[in-house]
Amino acid sequence: AQRVTQPEKLLSVFKGAPVELKCNYSYSGSPELFWYVQYSRQRLQLLLRHISRESIKGFTADLNKGETSFHLKKPFAQEEDSAMYYCAPQTQGGSEKLVFGKGTKLTVNP
Amino acid sequence: DGGITQSPKYLFRKEGQNVTLSCEQNLNHDAMYWYRQDPGQGLRLIYYSQIVNDFQKGDIAEGYSVSREKKESFPLTVTSAQKNPTAFYLCASSIQGGIGQPQHFGDGTRLSIL
Repeated sequence: AQRVTQPEKLLSVFKGAPVELKCNYSYSGSPELFWYVQYSRQRLQLLLRHISRESIKGFTADLNKGETSFHLKKPFAQEEDSAMYYCAPQTQGGSEKLVFGKGTKLTVNP
Repeated sequence: DGGITQSPKYLFRKEGQNVTLSCEQNLNHDAMYWYRQDPGQGLRLIYYSQIVNDFQKGDIAEGYSVSREKKESFPLTVTSAQKNPTAFYLCASSIQGGIGQPQHFGDGTRLSIL
């Protein structure tokens, strides 16, 4: 069965510290991978996607096919990064469905 | 701002009643989706539609029904067969065609049982 795991429900760091939000997936084939973010009182929105190899708001995510992981990283966390983060692999085969992890709530303390 | 509009923001259902959640998009997207979000559960896919007049069941379709008569609209009906309907419901849309297309989300509807 296709599955995505975000092992940390809650993650708390201090401002300026590095942060890593973990995501592991179990999929047949090679899924496309996304990170979505939901800030307080805002709608869920795309943060970044693997296919674009981009860095958004200082965040990057590296796909490790051997470990089947897509961890989200930022070298220096900011208070405005506090939010709920969801890892979401996308199935292939025409349906383009996203399968969301249960999310990690990141709190960046001053 | 435009994009995806869900209404109402809050909805209450009586026992045995069907209720319909509205989702409208002005992004000219072909694909639309309905998710259910429960605390600590992430988002689970209820139904999705890749084109007008066509839709498929997601992972938790039982007790729900949808229609896609217009490209911009994808209403979700929570039927009386759904025994645990209390949840936060999110609608999303995406450009059709190809891997890597992101989904755009609405603000959600919170459904509660009276």
